[in-house]
Amino acid sequence: GENVEQHPSTLSVQEGDSAVIKCTYSDSASNYFPWYKQELGKRPQLIIDIRSNVGEKKDQRIAVTLNKTAKHFSLHITETQPEDSAVYFCAASYDKIIFGKGTRLHILP
Amino acid sequence: DAGVIQSPRHEVTEMGQEVTLRCKPISGHDYLFWYRQTMMRGLELLIYFNNNVPIDDSGMPEDRFSAKMPNASFSTLKIQPSEPRDSAVYFCASSPSGSRGTQYFGPGTRLLVL
Repeated sequence: GENVEQHPSTLSVQEGDSAVIKCTYSDSASNYFPWYKQELGKRPQLIIDIRSNVGEKKDQRIAVTLNKTAKHFSLHITETQPEDSAVYFCAASYDKIIFGKGTRLHILP
Repeated sequence: DAGVIQSPRHEVTEMGQEVTLRCKPISGHDYLFWYRQTMMRGLELLIYFNNNVPIDDSGMPEDRFSAKMPNASFSTLKIQPSEPRDSAVYFCASSPSGSRGTQYFGPGTRLLVL
């Protein structure tokens, strides 16, 4: 069945450095790729999304890239700050949304 | 708007008991999703509705799980009988545009089955 693989499962970066989280998907029909952030004990919240007709999208310190040929998409966070510490989920969707297993991001002081 | 509302926020029950989780979506959102989140399996889609009609329930683990949406402002997820392996956080989410748009999650129900 459809699957979304997300790597790494845990990521620690120094405050101010960049963080990159990568996902691959199996369903070539997928055309919508959201990223959700979940802080400890809270609900997931959308931070950025991209559709298949676009290769890159940026929103301040966050950017997402999509390679439809390779079925890869990535989240890039620049100039990381303590409040970026959270679990990040990628997802791929056509009729049905499939989430990756999540990446726990730690921002080190 | 108050956002997606879920109740109860926490539920502790004994194995074999019936559990009912409730959700009120954001007004005007035509799609409602039920998810289960555990450390081992991550965030799993259980079922979703469009205009109160179940569209895809392939994620429902087994017959012990059932979900209903009797009207546009209310949905339930029922587990009968409950088992310890059902312990998880259950999220409800609603969306104006389905699986290809932003989903707004509720605060979740933390279920513990003893």
